[in-house]
Amino acid sequence: NAGVTQTPKFRVLKTGQSMTLLCAQDMNHEYMYWYRQDPGMGLRLIHYSVGEGTTAKGEVPDGYNVSRLKKQNFLLGLESAAPSQTSVYFCASRQFAGTNYGYTFGSGTRLTVV
Amino acid sequence: KNEVEQSPQNLTAQEGEFITINCSYSVGISALHWLQQHPGGGIVSLFMLSSGKKKHGRLIATINIQEKHSSLHITASHPRDSAVYICAVRWERGGSNYKLTFGKGTLLTVNP
Repeated sequence: NAGVTQTPKFRVLKTGQSMTLLCAQDMNHEYMYWYRQDPGMGLRLIHYSVGEGTTAKGEVPDGYNVSRLKKQNFLLGLESAAPSQTSVYFCASRQFAGTNYGYTFGSGTRLTVV
Repeated sequence: KNEVEQSPQNLTAQEGEFITINCSYSVGISALHWLQQHPGGGIVSLFMLSSGKKKHGRLIATINIQEKHSSLHITASHPRDSAVYICAVRWERGGSNYKLTFGKGTLLTVNP
């Protein structure tokens, strides 16, 4: 039982390059989230999804796009990477909303844009 | 602006000591989470609270809704407890049922 798996774990991009981060969960969770973690700041929500085929913007969505074509996968895309997108990215999933359901996080993707 | 404040930012302890990490928030919440992140590692959910107290092994989490405050306690601390501990809340009003607001974390170092 893998939980939430993020690929890749590390990546270095040049400014202007594009890439896709993959988040896969095997728990049949409805809700999935992409966060970024920067030094001295709490995690910030980039985009989220409340079910297959749906996505919504979080606090810091600019420069990112997402897709949830299959329930188990949530993809985060950077169309034209910028140094400001250097960060650690975490994916999380949750079965349902409501106070009885906790979050499961992936192990993170460390992205450096040079 | 709804905020989550953690204290202390950094905490160093000797093995065996009792540890307390605090989390305060500005307005009413529907749930509070405590998370653990080891250096260079992923994030693990420790507790989710909406009232009272929860215990798991040497970890205890409490919440006081009236005072808008939660504490995470570690009894008989061990070097393997060294990690960043993060508090996160879901606001009762003005926020989304889907979104969390995170504190900046408390870096705990337990020396042998």
